[in-house]
Amino acid sequence: DGGITQSPKYLFRKEGQNVTLSCEQNLNHDAMYWYRQDPGQGLRLIYYSQIVNDFQKGDIAEGYSVSREKKESFPLTVTSAQKNPTAFYLCASRQPGQGNEKLFFGSGTQLSVL
Amino acid sequence: GQNIDQPTEMTATEGAIVQINCTYQTSGFNGLFWYQQHAGEAPTFLSYNVLDGLEEKGRFSSFLSRSKGYSYLLLKELQMKDSASYLCAVRRNYGGATNKLIFGTGTLLAVQP
Repeated sequence: DGGITQSPKYLFRKEGQNVTLSCEQNLNHDAMYWYRQDPGQGLRLIYYSQIVNDFQKGDIAEGYSVSREKKESFPLTVTSAQKNPTAFYLCASRQPGQGNEKLFFGSGTQLSVL
Repeated sequence: GQNIDQPTEMTATEGAIVQINCTYQTSGFNGLFWYQQHAGEAPTFLSYNVLDGLEEKGRFSSFLSRSKGYSYLLLKELQMKDSASYLCAVRRNYGGATNKLIFGTGTLLAVQP
């Protein structure tokens, strides 16, 4: 079955540590996205990629980095510069130009600070 | 600027009907989505409206009025499993092929027996 997979489900970060969240999709989608979800706030866009080897900053990119070396993979690194990293992180993908272009989401990674 | 408003929480009874409203203010409007999200899980797509009117899909329906900046999600014959957050999201066009989704804070629906 096609889908989008995030790992790990839970992740803990120590002070000053970089951590990487994995996102893999086998839907053959060109576009991929990273969102952050905090209680009482809507999903906020961190980074997005419309095509392989290209990505753009979203609304809250500071303290994060991404890469898009393969179509199916879009890992997110939370760097030590992100001072408030505790949140639920959601990866999504879509295929531009197909119907309503709805987003398909992964099941999320809960990141907490030790 | 851009703003999306929806109620924070709602409660309804099993078997009843509930309407979740969403109002928005944005330029470059290019469609409105509703997603369902159970706690700690992925949001799943429910509906999409780009033209005015009602879209019906089984127990769920969604309505859009672009002139009023207003949408609602209607859930009929409520079941306990419908207890979840419902996210309203507006797609905004920034020119050319660049579109972005702007999410509301979500409405947490509790269905009671």
